[in-house]
Amino acid sequence: DVKVTQSSRYLVKRTGEKVFLECVQDMDHENMFWYRQDPGLGLRLIYFSYDVKMKEKGDIPEGYSVSREKKERFSLILESASTNQTSMYLCASSLIGVYGYTFGSGTRLTVV
Amino acid sequence: DAKTTQPNSMESNEEEPVHLPCNHSTISGTDYIHWYRQLPSQGPEYVIHGLTSNVNNRMASLAIAEDRKSSTLILHRATLRDAAVYYCILRDRGSGSRLTFGEGTQLTVNP
Repeated sequence: DVKVTQSSRYLVKRTGEKVFLECVQDMDHENMFWYRQDPGLGLRLIYFSYDVKMKEKGDIPEGYSVSREKKERFSLILESASTNQTSMYLCASSLIGVYGYTFGSGTRLTVV
Repeated sequence: DAKTTQPNSMESNEEEPVHLPCNHSTISGTDYIHWYRQLPSQGPEYVIHGLTSNVNNRMASLAIAEDRKSSTLILHRATLRDAAVYYCILRDRGSGSRLTFGEGTQLTVNP
């Protein structure tokens, strides 16, 4: 089975900290994605990447950056965490084309 | 992206079939119809997708109307484990791999 692994299930960080959320997939997928999910707002796309060192902004990229140095790893970076970035963060990967996405289990980030 | 409309919630009984509807009246010729589901405290899970013809897999069946303006996800025998939010999403094969999630349908399965 394709696996998408997110480094932490729960994370608590302080306001102003730099936060790294890591995502690794083991099936050689070209595409990787970061979403956040909030009650009442659903899943919203933050950033995605079609290939190593490539990145595209999603619908809500403000306050975030990403890094994809290797095909299997896609990192989401909160340069200076704020309380409004408290959320569930979900990573996904897929092959090029209209294939299904495989999601990780999510990281619940709390910024205090 | 073309939008989809789903009921906010539906209920079913265990071991009975479930038909989850989705309307997509503005679907374009290059839009694929994708279904995902999200169990509590988990990431979304791919269920099935199709373009024009009905599709079956081990999880579900997808019935697509002839004019493609609506589709139905069919769970043949609901189990308690099928209680989840089900998302119907249109995905244009020409616009890259983006998926845009709506609110979905919360399915409750009664024992």
